[in-house]
Amino acid sequence: GAVVSQHPSWVICKSGTSVKIECRSLDFQATTMFWYRQFPKQSLMLMATSNEGSKATYEQGVEKDKFLINHASLTLSTLTVTSAHPEDSSFYICSGSGGVPEQYFGPGTRLTVT
Amino acid sequence: AQSVSQHNHHVILSEAASLELGCNYSYGGTVNLFWYVQYPGQHLQLLLKYFSGDPLVKGIKGFEAEFIKSKFSFNLRKPSVQWSDTAEYFCAVNAQGNNRLAFGKGNQVVVIP
Repeated sequence: GAVVSQHPSWVICKSGTSVKIECRSLDFQATTMFWYRQFPKQSLMLMATSNEGSKATYEQGVEKDKFLINHASLTLSTLTVTSAHPEDSSFYICSGSGGVPEQYFGPGTRLTVT
Repeated sequence: AQSVSQHNHHVILSEAASLELGCNYSYGGTVNLFWYVQYPGQHLQLLLKYFSGDPLVKGIKGFEAEFIKSKFSFNLRKPSVQWSDTAEYFCAVNAQGNNRLAFGKGNQVVVIP
């Protein structure tokens, strides 16, 4: 149990365009979802926390107008990277938590901005 | 805010050797502690967790970890590794009542057959 999926698994876009990444909890209700960014050979950096039906809480240094997060239901959260630039290229990982301390992670989305 | 330290980022060892990965955290309050594993090309999976109770916790695949409160440590151990244990291992911490996880930088473990 506790499976989280992400779509797409990889995406290439042109600089200036926007990209939407979906995160779904398949077999549990994720009251809280988290979005992370992982650079090569580095750890996960928390970008934002979102509770279903509420505005996301962003970590310091993360531009909320650039990384739009929506958590409209207990099984779906989306991250939209607006006006993407090459420096936004990264591995984006979401996780979900159903009211317990542990988080269940999605497989990640590789974003490449050209 | 919590922070997590993992040392010896790259570990190379032979099959059947013992593995110990160190994890230290800085936070004055009560914490939940986790070890996650990321196999090549796969997503993060929970290896084991500690919330309270017996400080020696056993996880999947023969791994165990010991919480030593006085040392702010949660070291991961496996007595005899296998080639399939080649992966990246992350220690993570959150404060009880706050689900936000702080991750260490990870240990890249390579097991040579």
